[in-house]
Amino acid sequence: NAGVTQTPKFQVLKTGQSMTLQCAQDMNHEYMSWYRQDPGMGLRLIHYSVGAGITDQGEVPNGYNVSRSTTEDFPLRLLSAAPSQTSVYFCASRLQGANEQFFGPGTRLTVL
Amino acid sequence: AQSVTQPDIHITVSEGASLELRCNYSYGATPYLFWYVQSPGQGLQLLLKYFSGDTLVQGIKGFEAEFKRSQSSFNLRKPSVHWSDAAEYFCAVGARGANNLFFGTGTRLTVIP
Repeated sequence: NAGVTQTPKFQVLKTGQSMTLQCAQDMNHEYMSWYRQDPGMGLRLIHYSVGAGITDQGEVPNGYNVSRSTTEDFPLRLLSAAPSQTSVYFCASRLQGANEQFFGPGTRLTVL
Repeated sequence: AQSVTQPDIHITVSEGASLELRCNYSYGATPYLFWYVQSPGQGLQLLLKYFSGDTLVQGIKGFEAEFKRSQSSFNLRKPSVHWSDAAEYFCAVGARGANNLFFGTGTRLTVIP
């Protein structure tokens, strides 16, 4: 199993540009989520999904969109990037009802 | 309100010395507690978890943690630190089936020879 994979590893954007961060898992986990990690703030939940076709907002959802068309994939979209979105983004997944989350390697995003 | 406090931003220990990383939490429901480790440029790896039962839990890489309900603490310990333990450590709290884990701000561990 590859576990949770994320692409790209690094990305630089200009303010106003759009992009999609990819996340995939091959463990047949129902639950997937996106966190952002900022210095001195730990990880904060952006959006999550409990299954295909179902998404909901987390703690810091503004400026991000998600969709879940398949169990395996959970992309995170930035429609108009802002410097405040410079961060490291982690995708995670777990079985529904379980508590152990498996994290991907992260995407480091810089918005100029 | 749910929160996790890791009071030590940075800790330096000598290789072979013992280690204790502190974690205090505030959570309205029965807490499920976790310690994750993040090596430079890597994702988060689960070290250990506590759901119920024995309050002293063993994890990977020789780490252990003790849950103390009366102190709302879940401190991580290792009796003898190795240079490869240098990393950032995160404490997290959640509830059974909850959609969110609440993370502390992390403690960066430096190991000196």
